[in-house]
Amino acid sequence: NAGVTQTPKFRILKIGQSMTLQCTQDMNHNYMYWYRQDPGMGLKLIYYSVGAGITDKGEVPNGYNVSRSTTEDFPLRLELAAPSQTSVYFCASTPTGLSTEAFFGQGTRLTVV
Amino acid sequence: GENVEQHPSTLSVQEGDSAVIKCTYSDSASNYFPWYKQELGKGPQLIIDIRSNVGEKKDQRIAVTLNKTAKHFSLHITETQPEDSAVYFCAASRGRDDKIIFGKGTRLHILP
Repeated sequence: NAGVTQTPKFRILKIGQSMTLQCTQDMNHNYMYWYRQDPGMGLKLIYYSVGAGITDKGEVPNGYNVSRSTTEDFPLRLELAAPSQTSVYFCASTPTGLSTEAFFGQGTRLTVV
Repeated sequence: GENVEQHPSTLSVQEGDSAVIKCTYSDSASNYFPWYKQELGKGPQLIIDIRSNVGEKKDQRIAVTLNKTAKHFSLHITETQPEDSAVYFCAASRGRDDKIIFGKGTRLHILP
């Protein structure tokens, strides 16, 4: 059981470039999340999804887009990379029901130069 | 929406001593309060959680207390060990199908 898998682990982008951070989970969880973690800061919610076909903005959605065409996958898209998007990105998922433990991926360290 | 405040941001304790991290939340409808530990280079992992129908929960050296009236909850680590050094996050949620909101984290250093 792989849990939550994120790719790539590291990436350097130039200002204005675009990229997609991939996230997939094999636990059949309905809820999926994207967080960013800046140095010395906590986890800020970018976008989340309560199920396939449904996405909602979190605390810091500007500059990002997401899609949820399947239960398993929740990619995060950066269209015009900016230095302010330099961060570590974490994807997570939670099951529905009484248990709401969040399972996190290993993270993607993104640097925009 | 929910807002979770966490203190302190950094905490250093001598090995063997106890560590306490405190959090407050704003949404009185929140009823699920997990704590996550993040080791260097890894994603956060759940270490303990508490629901609003209990005031305290223990798991070996770790305990969490909840005061719903005051809307605050705390993590207590006793007999600290070097492997307890990490960043700890508190969080709050309405449970079931609601999203989880995290605090800013506490970096815990265990001093030899």
